[in-house]
Amino acid sequence: GQQLNQSPQSMFIQEGEDVSMNCTSSSIFNTWLWYKQDPGEGPVLLIALYKAGELTSNGRLTAQFGITRKDSFLNISASIPSDVGIYFCAGQKAGTASKLTFGTGTRLQVTL
Amino acid sequence: EAGVAQSPRYKIIEKRQSVAFWCNPISGHATLYWYQQILGQGPKLLIQFQNNGVVDDSQLPKDRFSAERLKGVDSTLKIQPAKLEDSAVYLCASSSPGADTQYFGPGTRLTVL
Repeated sequence: GQQLNQSPQSMFIQEGEDVSMNCTSSSIFNTWLWYKQDPGEGPVLLIALYKAGELTSNGRLTAQFGITRKDSFLNISASIPSDVGIYFCAGQKAGTASKLTFGTGTRLQVTL
Repeated sequence: EAGVAQSPRYKIIEKRQSVAFWCNPISGHATLYWYQQILGQGPKLLIQFQNNGVVDDSQLPKDRFSAERLKGVDSTLKIQPAKLEDSAVYLCASSSPGADTQYFGPGTRLTVL
């Protein structure tokens, strides 16, 4: 099955730095979602995007729905140690009864 | 509000054995999903239920995997017989009808030796 491509695959940053990651697809999605997964837990929804070009924030997190509807971006400002985890994008197509296609994940590690 | 419950949390079996996982969704959530997450990858949908009916099982390896949700509440996923490549975390999720947000359980980590 298809998986969306995420980059970078992993990143090691210092506390306080800003983080950017992206997700690309060869096909169009009508909804983009960003999840965070901590070790030993299931993914937790961070942000949902419903319209091309939409920019949505959730605290220090900002995500954008790409104009082409084939990509999405997530930014984390002023990273803190609890931001450590794996970030997944997920796309949803119209008429697919809420079926999600997940990305390959970006592993974020933060140093003090 | 109680979250999605899954059991067991960990299971180790030998290849060709059988295994079953249980999921209890959030109360009132009609839609239930089973995902397989192989190490280093994102979750992959195996099967989606709406109440007790199957909506999508296109990626379920039906020769060895089966799932049921007989009363439209909790669900079981079975693998018989297991193969080495079935080693993964099996995640259950649930959502309200028409809602985008899927709530995930903690998963069952399966190791096949």
